[in-house]
Amino acid sequence: GAVVSQHPSWVICKSGTSVKIECRSLDFQATTMFWYRQFPKQSLMLMATSNEGSKATYEQGVEKDKFLINHASLTLSTLTVTSAHPEDSSFYICSARDGRASEQYFGPGTRLTVT
Amino acid sequence: AQSVTQPDIHITVSEGASLELRCNYSYGATPYLFWYVQSPGQGLQLLLKYFSGDTLVQGIKGFEAEFKRSQSSFNLRKPSVHWSDAAEYFCAVGPGNFGNEKLTFGTGTRLTIIP
Repeated sequence: GAVVSQHPSWVICKSGTSVKIECRSLDFQATTMFWYRQFPKQSLMLMATSNEGSKATYEQGVEKDKFLINHASLTLSTLTVTSAHPEDSSFYICSARDGRASEQYFGPGTRLTVT
Repeated sequence: AQSVTQPDIHITVSEGASLELRCNYSYGATPYLFWYVQSPGQGLQLLLKYFSGDTLVQGIKGFEAEFKRSQSSFNLRKPSVHWSDAAEYFCAVGPGNFGNEKLTFGTGTRLTIIP
């Protein structure tokens, strides 16, 4: 089956630093990847949609300069949280979609804690 | 705009009892509907999906869901729950076409199983 991995699974960083989260499709080519944010005991909120080789499309209210998304290859997308602040602490989940498929495959998530 | 409502924030069920989790959606055309399960600190696992055809959909782990267009509902059911079913359940809706469709998630229902 389609597998999506995320790295790291858990990261702690200091306020003001940047952190990069990787999302990889392991056994298929992901033409589209999605990044979600989930606050404790809440639903997933879509942050942005990225297509391989093009700029990401951000949802309203998401700061594109703060959450940098790069989808450089058909198997890798990265989310960089720049100048992180404690309010950026959250669970970040990516999903990937094979262009031929109609469903998204989700990664296991990355828990970010900013101190 | 598409939306999903999960009216029940938290449900407690005895092990072995039947389960029904409610989901109502709003979408202008025929939607794609999904149920996902999330264990604590984990990503999302797809339980089942509905695109077209038979309105009663069978999924993994003994779950099923019924699409009722007249009621705009897609309720998830299981005849006999197991302690391992304790988790957060999310209903999601997406547009019924291939492309970079965005999924909209409900707020989730937390399922607690009591012995």
